[in-house]
Amino acid sequence: QSALTQPASVSGSPGQSITISCTGTSSDIGGYNYVSWYQQYPGKAPKLIISEVSNRPSGVPDRFSGSKSGNTASLTLSGLQAEDEAHYYCCSYTTMSTLVFGGGTKLTVL
Amino acid sequence: EVQLVESGGGLVQPGGSLRLSCAASGFTLSDYWMHWVRQTPGKGLVWLSRMDSDGSSIKYADSVRGRFTISRDNADNTLYLQVNSLRAEDSAVYICAREGIVSALDLWGQGTLVTVSS
Repeated sequence: QSALTQPASVSGSPGQSITISCTGTSSDIGGYNYVSWYQQYPGKAPKLIISEVSNRPSGVPDRFSGSKSGNTASLTLSGLQAEDEAHYYCCSYTTMSTLVFGGGTKLTVL
Repeated sequence: EVQLVESGGGLVQPGGSLRLSCAASGFTLSDYWMHWVRQTPGKGLVWLSRMDSDGSSIKYADSVRGRFTISRDNADNTLYLQVNSLRAEDSAVYICAREGIVSALDLWGQGTLVTVSS
């Protein structure tokens, strides 16, 4: 199972919006609405911020939103804040009944 | 407090073995699907294995199938990962995680570091 494809890095200024893409295949992202996103700060455990493509767990700000079109999922952060600077990982369920992660995207808030 | 705490990592020679543990507290492990993931320092997350709530369905990533074995002790509320025939490329932080939402991991441990080197 090949890793999902994410851009290595994205950046934006405070208050702006950014979108991180996550591209897979019909055997993972395209086949199921089971895409999740995780935020990870250096030295910390990943934190679930989006499940089932677009659902935000309790406590996650509504500045975070998820979507999917075909084999590509997207995470959008609006109203960027300095505290959003972190690594973001996408993850999808697959036809093999396994999970597969993306390579991760480092978000820099300028 | 609801948490997962891993242990059992360390320095091991190529070809060696370790048993990694993931102790759960604040919830019952057997009520959830549980996963192991690894992360190389400075690199991304890689999914390794999962066990469903009743232990009847187990899956592995191709890269570790036949070398790694996931198991669970309900009495101790602990998840395990037996890692055998270790290679240099298996060096990573090994993290257990709970699937609290369908195909999403809502609780993660801090991980245990495995270093494979002679």
